[in-house]
Amino acid sequence: SQTIHQWPATLVQPVGSPLSLECTVEGTSNPNLYWYRQAAGRGLQLLFYSVGIGQISSEVPQNLSASRPQDRQFILSSKKLLLSDSGFYLCAWRDRVSTDTQYFGPGTRLTVL
Amino acid sequence: AQSVTQPDIHITVSEGASLELRCNYSYGATPYLFWYVQSPGQGLQLLLKYFSGDTLVQGIKGFEAEFKRSQSSFNLRKPSVHWSDAAEYFCAVGALLTGGGNKLTFGTGTQLKVEL
Repeated sequence: SQTIHQWPATLVQPVGSPLSLECTVEGTSNPNLYWYRQAAGRGLQLLFYSVGIGQISSEVPQNLSASRPQDRQFILSSKKLLLSDSGFYLCAWRDRVSTDTQYFGPGTRLTVL
Repeated sequence: AQSVTQPDIHITVSEGASLELRCNYSYGATPYLFWYVQSPGQGLQLLLKYFSGDTLVQGIKGFEAEFKRSQSSFNLRKPSVHWSDAAEYFCAVGALLTGGGNKLTFGTGTQLKVEL
């Protein structure tokens, strides 16, 4: 069966510091991968998606970037965090040969102080 | 562009009572529709999905949803709510992305509280 991991689970960072969040998927090959952000009291906003290694599409211009160095690894980064980057970050995968269903990881709670 | 509206931000029901959470969508083609549930501090768990066919879909934990094209709605229902159903519920519509993949557009969620 497929599983999706995210780490760290929680992170507290000062403004201006760098960020690296990691997401890995097991039990599938060549998945579509997604990064979402969930701000307090709001729905989920798609940040980035990837259909393959090295292929990244950005949905919303912002202070963040994403990379996909391996087939089942998706990384969310920032060079300098802003207060507005605080939120709950969710990674998701979609089996491209199956249905259009996305499956979510457990999330990372980021607090920027 | 697609959009999803969940008009109820908070809903409180008594345990054992029936539940209906509303979802309205806007999408130019036949939609793919989803309901997810999120417990505090957790990721999203898929409850059910509609792609085509029977407009009444069954999901996990005793939930069901009915797709009504004429009303652009996909309401979630449960005949008898359990205290463990207290969580936040998100409706989403899926659309294909240029370059491959799909995109989910989420509503802002409905927070369900269950009174014992």
